[in-house]
Amino acid sequence: NAGVTQTPKFRILKIGQSMTLQCAQDMNHNYMYWYRQDPGMGLKLIYYSVGAGITDKGEVPNGYNVSRSTTEDFPLRLELAAPSQTSVYFCASSPTRVSDTQYFGPGTRLTVL
Amino acid sequence: AQSVSQHNHHVILSEAASLELGCNYSYGGTVNLFWYVQYPGQHLQLLLKYFSGDPLVKGIKGFEAEFIKSKFSFNLRKPSVQWSDTAEYFCAVNTYNTDKLIFGTGTRLQVFP
Repeated sequence: NAGVTQTPKFRILKIGQSMTLQCAQDMNHNYMYWYRQDPGMGLKLIYYSVGAGITDKGEVPNGYNVSRSTTEDFPLRLELAAPSQTSVYFCASSPTRVSDTQYFGPGTRLTVL
Repeated sequence: AQSVSQHNHHVILSEAASLELGCNYSYGGTVNLFWYVQYPGQHLQLLLKYFSGDPLVKGIKGFEAEFIKSKFSFNLRKPSVQWSDTAEYFCAVNTYNTDKLIFGTGTRLQVFP
């Protein structure tokens, strides 16, 4: 199993550009999550999904969108990049509920200039 | 809103010293508690978790944590740290009626030989 994979690893965007961060898991987990990690701020939940076709907002959803058309994939979309979105983004998954162990991807380091 | 506090932002120890990292949460109901660790250049991974039962939980690599309900605390301990314990440690809480995991801001541990 590859576990949770994320692409790209690094990306630099200009203000106003758009991009999609890809996340995939091959463990047949129902729950998937997107977090952002800022220095000294810990991890903040952006969006999460409890299954294909179901998504919900986390703590910091503004400026982001998600979709979950399959169990495996959970892409995160930034429509109009802003410097405040400079961060490291982590995708995670867990089997059946949030209290299960979450398995994290390697992260995407995004810089918006 | 639920929150998690990690008061030690940066801890520096010599090898063989004892470690205790503080974690407090604000929620009066049933909680699930976690410690995750991020070693340099690696994914976040679960160190240990508490759901119910014995409040003293043992995890990987000799770590343990004690849940003290009256103090809303879940402190992480290790009797003798090693250089390889250098990492960032995150406390996280899931409350019984939500699908979200709330992370603390993290504690950066540096262990010198």
